[in-house]
Amino acid sequence: GQSLEQPSEVTAVEGAIVQINCTYQTSGFYGLSWYQQHDGGAPTFLSYNGLDGLEETGRFSSFLSRSDSYGYLLLQELQMKDSASYFCAVRDPRDDKIIFGKGTRLHILP
Amino acid sequence: DAGVIQSPRHEVTEMGQEVTLRCKPISGHDYLFWYRQTMMRGLELLIYFNNNVPIDDSGMPEDRFSAKMPNASFSTLKIQPSEPRDSAVYFCASSPRTPRGGYTFGSGTRLTVV
Repeated sequence: GQSLEQPSEVTAVEGAIVQINCTYQTSGFYGLSWYQQHDGGAPTFLSYNGLDGLEETGRFSSFLSRSDSYGYLLLQELQMKDSASYFCAVRDPRDDKIIFGKGTRLHILP
Repeated sequence: DAGVIQSPRHEVTEMGQEVTLRCKPISGHDYLFWYRQTMMRGLELLIYFNNNVPIDDSGMPEDRFSAKMPNASFSTLKIQPSEPRDSAVYFCASSPRTPRGGYTFGSGTRLTVV
């Protein structure tokens, strides 16, 4: 089976840095993705890590360690608009299904 | 590209009625997925198609749920008869073959069964 674990909630201050962790247990693995979802909106694709290491896209970075079955999303210079839920997801190469974690609700304080 | 288009945005129906949700994927995407999202269960994969062919429907909760993809530009998810516990947001998403592409989600259909 497949499972992903991420914290249910994280709180940080505007302008600060926050890290959202994700651990996974999968039978197959094709890479770790991150999605953002604002209240009432649809999930939107943020990043993808197929290989170990750090991927950077503006204020957001994502990291993967396949040997540890672990990844994280790093958000820098937090803005109020970053208040949202963040989902990690893995894609199984055997059937191309993507399984999502339960999501981490990010609260940002002014 | 207009993205993934779902309709309706909101649906309120009475228990026992048939509900049909519609989705138009992004042109050229090989995969189409139907997800259901609730507070309790998160994002659940119901069924997905590859080149219009259903590949895995193991997430479809009951026989009351059915999905079709008659062509590359259209898919439906039908619930018959609907029940209050089906109330959720239903998302359609499409994806290219390569994993880097990620999924593009539609805006979702918020279904309320009373």
